Amino acid sequence: DVKVTQSSRYLVKRTGEKVFLECVQDMDHENMFWYRQDPGLGLRLIYFSYDVKMKEKGDIPEGYSVSREKKERFSLILESASTNQTSMYLCASSPGTGRQYFGPGTRLTVL
Amino acid sequence: GQSLEQPSEVTAVEGAIVQINCTYQTSGFYGLSWYQQHDGGAPTFLSYNALDGLEETGRFSSFLSRSDSYGYLLLQELQMKDSASYFCATGASNTGKLIFGQGTTLQVKP
Repeated sequence: DVKVTQSSRYLVKRTGEKVFLECVQDMDHENMFWYRQDPGLGLRLIYFSYDVKMKEKGDIPEGYSVSREKKERFSLILESASTNQTSMYLCASSPGTGRQYFGPGTRLTVL
Repeated sequence: GQSLEQPSEVTAVEGAIVQINCTYQTSGFYGLSWYQQHDGGAPTFLSYNALDGLEETGRFSSFLSRSDSYGYLLLQELQMKDSASYFCATGASNTGKLIFGQGTTLQVKP
């Protein structure tokens, strides 16, 4: 079974803090993705990576950056957290066939 | 641009059959996928259609017509545990990147 893990299920941070969300997959997938999900807005792509050290902006990259130093690990960074970044963050990996495998999600609250 | 349309809500009774439709507009097409998400959980992959026709996996089937830019997810012998949100998604490239619809909330009633 494909396994995608995320570093935290719940996280509470203060405005202005730097926040790191980690995602690890164990299936040697080339492609990894970060989404946020908010009620009524569906899944919105923040960034994705199709290879180590490669990244592309998604639909809502502002306020976020990413890092992919190793194939299995894809990190999402909030440089200076703001209250409008309170959301559910979902990581996914994919072998590239229309199948994406999601981690359990991190519910981030920024106070 | 790319967009997908699906109904926002569907209600059905236990044991019944329900069909969730999805129409899409894409500049490139790399198949149609379906995902299930329970409240508080993460989306899980259900099915993928690259070619026209019906794919069956147990109680769930998925259909694709590329000429009509249309697909559907068919759920048979509905169970209470099928109450969830269902998302259709189209492939945007061969990198596995997907464009998701807004989701259909299925409520199964006794």
